[in-house]
Amino acid sequence: AQKVTQAQTEISVVEKEDVTLDCVYETRDTTYYLFWYKQPPSGELVFLIRRNSFDEQNEISGRYSWNFQKSTSSFNFTITASQVVDSAVYFCALSELSTGTASKLTFGTGTRLQVTL
Amino acid sequence: ETGVTQSPTHLIKTRGQQVTLRCSSQSGHNTVSWYQQALGQGPQFIFQYYREEENGRGNFPPRFSGLQFPNYSSELNVNALELDDSALYLCASSLGAGAGYNEQFFGPGTRLTVL
Repeated sequence: AQKVTQAQTEISVVEKEDVTLDCVYETRDTTYYLFWYKQPPSGELVFLIRRNSFDEQNEISGRYSWNFQKSTSSFNFTITASQVVDSAVYFCALSELSTGTASKLTFGTGTRLQVTL
Repeated sequence: ETGVTQSPTHLIKTRGQQVTLRCSSQSGHNTVSWYQQALGQGPQFIFQYYREEENGRGNFPPRFSGLQFPNYSSELNVNALELDDSALYLCASSLGAGAGYNEQFFGPGTRLTVL
């Protein structure tokens, strides 16, 4: 069965520090998708990034970057030069094609990021 | 473009009661998924509706049921409420039920408290 593990429960950093959020996943599928979502205090989940299992190319988008490694089943997320507005809970999620409900997202337990001045 | 909306924002019920939560999908989206998020946890998939039919279900009992209407809006119904049903209920809409490449857009959620 699919599983997503976010071992970091809470991270506190000072503004302008870089921070990496870890995500490890388990799946038996060869085709799957990985996501990162941000949940601010308002509660709404905000989509950040999606990667499919065939695309291990890492990318940088502004202050965000991702490191996808199939060999270690990890999909880590880095915020460069963190800002107070980045404070939120970040969720890693997995979607498999074999479940028949392909849009089902399996979420990790989240990492709470606190950025202070 | 109108985003995903949910109503009500907050709800308080007592154990044994029934509740209906509503979701309006983003314009043009034909798929709605419902998730339950307990405090301090990640969202858990309840079920998904695609073109008015249930398209998959998570590990939730039958007292959790749903509907999708021709305009693709959706309802989540929970009967015989239990204390553990207290959670944030999130609705997500997407264009198509197939594959994870369909980005899911989430609503702000309904906070249900069962006393």
